[in-house]
Amino acid sequence: GESVGLHLPTLSVQEGDNSIINCAYSNSASDYFIWYKQESGKGPQFIIDIRSNMDKRQGQRVTVLLNKTVKHLSLQIAATQPGDSAVYFCAETPLGYSTLTFGKGTMLLVSP
Amino acid sequence: DGGITQSPKYLFRKEGQNVTLSCEQNLNHDAMYWYRQDPGQGLRLIYYSQIVNDFQKGDIAEGYSVSREKKESFPLTVTSAQKNPTAFYLCASTHDRAYDQPQHFGDGTRLSIL
Repeated sequence: GESVGLHLPTLSVQEGDNSIINCAYSNSASDYFIWYKQESGKGPQFIIDIRSNMDKRQGQRVTVLLNKTVKHLSLQIAATQPGDSAVYFCAETPLGYSTLTFGKGTMLLVSP
Repeated sequence: DGGITQSPKYLFRKEGQNVTLSCEQNLNHDAMYWYRQDPGQGLRLIYYSQIVNDFQKGDIAEGYSVSREKKESFPLTVTSAQKNPTAFYLCASTHDRAYDQPQHFGDGTRLSIL
């Protein structure tokens, strides 16, 4: 079947490198942001989230940075592993809204 | 284990046929969502429901219908009016209607035209 990654921007890294995946958003009212990881044939998995009152949030091997001035969100993955290969989506929603708006995604390819 | 179960994993539709995709969750979540995913695209919202017996249209509701008779179930019907139904369909849920909650996803149903 077709891959969800068809025609997506792709980031190729070597195992052990740090990866940075970027996401731009357009709504200045966006208040809540999420990063998801989607492996082929599966549903998206939650990675990390951040509210607009924060600039940075860290998880296990992942960090999300939010720059509200330029409406930019990034996901940093430390010591990238082959198992990190997937499509990564950002999603956002304004304060009080009950639905998310998803970006188109970035494919991360990690070679051993 | 708690989670979201979508079935079937693969589904084929004949011309003029309605088909129903199942989504069941045992997370005791209030809100449920249906998305469509096409290759190279982000997820697009079809319908969502924040409470039993109530649902709202998303961005691409035309050609689809839903029901929410039970908290744990949110089936999606792809009707014959949907002329381009081939896609990957994802169901999600959140604990409550608060906006700052991550949505949890099932593993999808891939629908194709025969």
